[in-house]
Amino acid sequence: DVKVTQSSRYLVKRTGEKVFLECVQDMDHENMFWYRQDPGLGLRLIYFSYDVKMKEKGDIPEGYSVSREKKERFSLILESASTNQTSMYLCASSLGLPPTEAFFGQGTRLTVV
Amino acid sequence: KQEVTQIPAALSVPEGENLVLNCSFTDSAIYNLQWFRQDPGKGLTSLLLIQSSQREQTSGRLNASLDKSSGRSTLYIAASQPGDSATYLCAVNYGQNFVFGPGTRLSVLP
Repeated sequence: DVKVTQSSRYLVKRTGEKVFLECVQDMDHENMFWYRQDPGLGLRLIYFSYDVKMKEKGDIPEGYSVSREKKERFSLILESASTNQTSMYLCASSLGLPPTEAFFGQGTRLTVV
Repeated sequence: KQEVTQIPAALSVPEGENLVLNCSFTDSAIYNLQWFRQDPGKGLTSLLLIQSSQREQTSGRLNASLDKSSGRSTLYIAASQPGDSATYLCAVNYGQNFVFGPGTRLSVLP
């Protein structure tokens, strides 16, 4: 079974902190994605990556950056956390281009206070 | 703009009923469509993937159909159980990434 693992289920950070969310997949997938999910707004794509060191902006990249130094790991970085970044963050991976079946991690609930 | 909608937004049924969830998409040039289940506070679990060349896929009590020309997919759940209570999302793959619907929140009452 494909496994996508996010480093934390719950995080509480202070405004202005630099925050790292980590995602690791174990199936050698080329594609990895970061979404945030908010009530009434659904899932919105922040960034995605098709290969190591490659990144593409999604629909809402402002305030975020990403890093993909190894194929299995995709990190989401909040440069200076703000309260409006309080959300559920979901990582996904898939194989091929165009992407085939997507597999998701368990989610990270981030609260910025 | 590529948009995905799901009807109904919420559904409550007694245990044992068969039910249908609907997903509509505005752009029919899709590669595939995927149905997910999400339990409260959790990630998404993949249920079924339908390729653009397929008409339907089945897994256990679940059957998903796809009509690309009309921009619609349905998820049929047979003999519903309380354990099926969750939010169901469809996601359409247009080649670069996935566009998600807002979900249907399902409650199956014992």
